[in-house]
Amino acid sequence: DVKVTQSSRYLVKRTGEKVFLECVQDMDHENMFWYRQDPGLGLRLIYFSYDVKMKEKGDIPEGYSVSREKKERFSLILESASTNQTSMYLCASSFGGTSPPDTQYFGPGTRLTVL
Amino acid sequence: KQEVTQIPAALSVPEGENLVLNCSFTDSAIYNLQWFRQDPGKGLTSLLLIQSSQREQTSGRLNASLDKSSGRSTLYIAASQPGDSATYLCAVQDYGQNFVFGPGTRLSVLP
Repeated sequence: DVKVTQSSRYLVKRTGEKVFLECVQDMDHENMFWYRQDPGLGLRLIYFSYDVKMKEKGDIPEGYSVSREKKERFSLILESASTNQTSMYLCASSFGGTSPPDTQYFGPGTRLTVL
Repeated sequence: KQEVTQIPAALSVPEGENLVLNCSFTDSAIYNLQWFRQDPGKGLTSLLLIQSSQREQTSGRLNASLDKSSGRSTLYIAASQPGDSATYLCAVQDYGQNFVFGPGTRLSVLP
């Protein structure tokens, strides 16, 4: 079974701190994704990566950056945390390609609170 | 830009009922559609994936249908159980491999 792990389940940080959220997958997947999930807004894509050292902006990249130095690891960085970044952060990975049809595998999520 | 909506936002049913969850999307040029389940405070688990060339997929008590031309999908749950209580999300994947999620339907099955 594919396993996607996230470094923390719960995290509390202060405004202005630099925050690192890490995600690791063990299935040699090409694609990795970071989402945030907020009540009433659903999942919104922050950044995704199709390969090592490659990254693409999603729908809401402002205030975030990412790093993918190794295929299995995708990090989300909040350069200067703000209270409006309090949210549930979900990492996902997928094989990539079109055959067989791709599906995303999700980690358990990190609930970040910024005070 | 693709938009995905789900109706109803929340649903409460007694155990044993059959129920239907609805998903609509605005752009019919999709590669596939997936239904996910999310338990409170947890990540998402894939339930069913329907390729754009398919009309439906079944897994146990779950059946998902896809009408691409009208931009609609339904998830049918037969003989609901309390363990089915969760939030159900649909997501469409475009040909650029991006996934767009709906806001979800929160289901409560009462014993």
